[in-house]
Amino acid sequence: QKEVEQDPGPLSVPEGAIVSLNCTYSNSAFQYFMWYRQYSRKGPELLMYTYSSGNKEDGRFTAQVDKSSKYISLFIRDSQPSDSATYLCAMRSGNQFYFGTGTSLTVIP
Amino acid sequence: SQTIHQWPATLVQPVGSPLSLECTVEGTSNPNLYWYRQAAGRGLQLLFYSVGIGQISSEVPQNLSASRPQDRQFILSSKKLLLSDSGFYLCAWSTPWINTIYFGEGSWLTVV
Repeated sequence: QKEVEQDPGPLSVPEGAIVSLNCTYSNSAFQYFMWYRQYSRKGPELLMYTYSSGNKEDGRFTAQVDKSSKYISLFIRDSQPSDSATYLCAMRSGNQFYFGTGTSLTVIP
Repeated sequence: SQTIHQWPATLVQPVGSPLSLECTVEGTSNPNLYWYRQAAGRGLQLLFYSVGIGQISSEVPQNLSASRPQDRQFILSSKKLLLSDSGFYLCAWSTPWINTIYFGEGSWLTVV
């Protein structure tokens, strides 16, 4: 079993839709949770990170962590074509980072 | 602010040729440095990480090697490339007091 599981998609939504991206994990030692956005042929860029259960909001993005269920989510409101990218979840334990395989998102104008 | 630079961005190399990818970090000292390879549908594969000068941990046995000659410089090398070495290579940095990891722009390697 992988330590981080992420549905690869692809996910295709119309512009303005609410997008929900999810990851599950198995290691209770994970304390820090991150979401990255990666455009084609570019390095991943950090979108949000959090270290506690609950919600964290930044503009159109909301990160949600449920440690009891070992489940994290990223919600994108009012999705835009510029949101079309691959989204990776990541978790930290010590000096190591564990990544999901990424979900490919396309927002159709 | 901290920045990370990685080069070259793209390269095409023949089988059996050497490889050198370089990465430097600015704006922080004693970072943890990482080399990842990203293959389509497989996510990020950790190749090497370093917590200090001359300290390299290898995660995957292969014909690649890494070196850290200076505090903020990390180099990925190979003496003889294989076709299977083709891929997207990412350098990244973190520190014990920053709970996230930051990536460079990536290097696309095609071995022909």
